[in-house]
Amino acid sequence: SAVISQKPSRDICQRGTSLTIQCQVDSQVTMMFWYRQQPGQSLTLIATANQGSEATYESGFVIDKFPISRPNLTFSTLTVSNMSPEDSSIYLCSVGLAGAQEQYFGPGTRLTVT
Amino acid sequence: QKEVEQDPGPLSVPEGAIVSLNCTYSNSAFQYFMWYRQYSRKGPELLMYTYSSGNKEDGRFTAQVDKSSKYISLFIRDSQPSDSATYLCAMTSGGQGGKLIFGQGTELSVKP
Repeated sequence: SAVISQKPSRDICQRGTSLTIQCQVDSQVTMMFWYRQQPGQSLTLIATANQGSEATYESGFVIDKFPISRPNLTFSTLTVSNMSPEDSSIYLCSVGLAGAQEQYFGPGTRLTVT
Repeated sequence: QKEVEQDPGPLSVPEGAIVSLNCTYSNSAFQYFMWYRQYSRKGPELLMYTYSSGNKEDGRFTAQVDKSSKYISLFIRDSQPSDSATYLCAMTSGGQGGKLIFGQGTELSVKP
């Protein structure tokens, strides 16, 4: 498995601003993923972030709104840009280990946009 | 139709009961099946992982996969109040970059 930390754990932001969420893993991993979990809902994949290549975004998510960086094998950031109240959600990063299909999740970042 | 269907509950059982949680899916390419447990205000925690059809047991937890029926189950024996959480099924066809598809999650409450 892997130990994953996220910063911040929660934040309250004004509409129109941006927030960058950090994800740190305790070991080198190839695959990192960013998910959104809206209140009472399941997990929706935003994008897959592989080191050395541009992130791959799922339908309905665009780079201008959710830019992602993956500078090395243990770290990634997700920025939520030009926020609106609809962006209020829990944002989760996860990692996939080499040769494995399961993913391990961080504790999440609880974002409230006012 | 969603690729993965899961009854959202909530499900409330007395302590010691046997709990059955289920998911159905439509994509026959799915081969890898997972159950995650998510406590309130926490990230999902991998509970069980199975490949293809069959059963897997880990302590009080048993995961079953029936690919012919496109149906997976998680059984919890001797349920405890500490099992109260949301349980999410997830599955993937595998391969590099294989995307996990999650069910909606079932909220379970075990009453002492």
